[in-house]
Amino acid sequence: DAGITQSPRYKITETGRQVTLMCHQTWSHSYMFWYRQDLGHGLRLIYYSAAADITDKGEVPDGYVVSRSKTENFPLTLESATRSQTSVYFCASRRDSIADTQYFGPGTRLTVL
Amino acid sequence: AQTVTQSQPEMSVQEAETVTLSCTYDTSENNYYLFWYKQPPSRQMILVIRQEAYKQQNATENRFSVNFQKAAKSFSLKISDSQLGDTAMYFCAFMKRANAGGTSYGKLTFGQGTILTVHP
Repeated sequence: DAGITQSPRYKITETGRQVTLMCHQTWSHSYMFWYRQDLGHGLRLIYYSAAADITDKGEVPDGYVVSRSKTENFPLTLESATRSQTSVYFCASRRDSIADTQYFGPGTRLTVL
Repeated sequence: AQTVTQSQPEMSVQEAETVTLSCTYDTSENNYYLFWYKQPPSRQMILVIRQEAYKQQNATENRFSVNFQKAAKSFSLKISDSQLGDTAMYFCAFMKRANAGGTSYGKLTFGQGTILTVHP
């Protein structure tokens, strides 16, 4: 049971480049989320998705794009990476009920030079 | 908007002793959940315990328990019989619960985190 996976686990890129972080879950959970973790801020929500083809902005969406053509995948794209986007990125998922637990992936550490 | 504050950036405790991590939150909502997540050096986010605001009884999970004070908007985590494996960063988090007939996508609002070190 793979659960929720993220790739790559580590990524170094340069300012201005496009980067895509992948998230895949095997539970068929309806909801998926992207958070970023920065020192002093905890985790902050970037985007979320309630189902395939349904996405919406979270707290810090600027500079990011998401898509969800299939229930199990929720990629996050940085269209033109900036140094301020250096962070650890977590994907999470949960079932339909808000009472259900939100499960997190292992995270991707992204460094933008 | 909700805010969550963890005022202790770092804490330390001796193995087998008890430690309490503090968390306060600010919200105008009446129905919500509160959580404590653990993040060990592996970076994996692990749910430790959760509390539903409408339940007066404090949640307990083995060595972990909470002191939920709704009026004071306080939600502290007590770890009893601390173990070396408890060394981690701990995050307090808030989630609004949908009102009847409403919807909520279940956004988690996190505090800044508390680094807990358990010493042998």
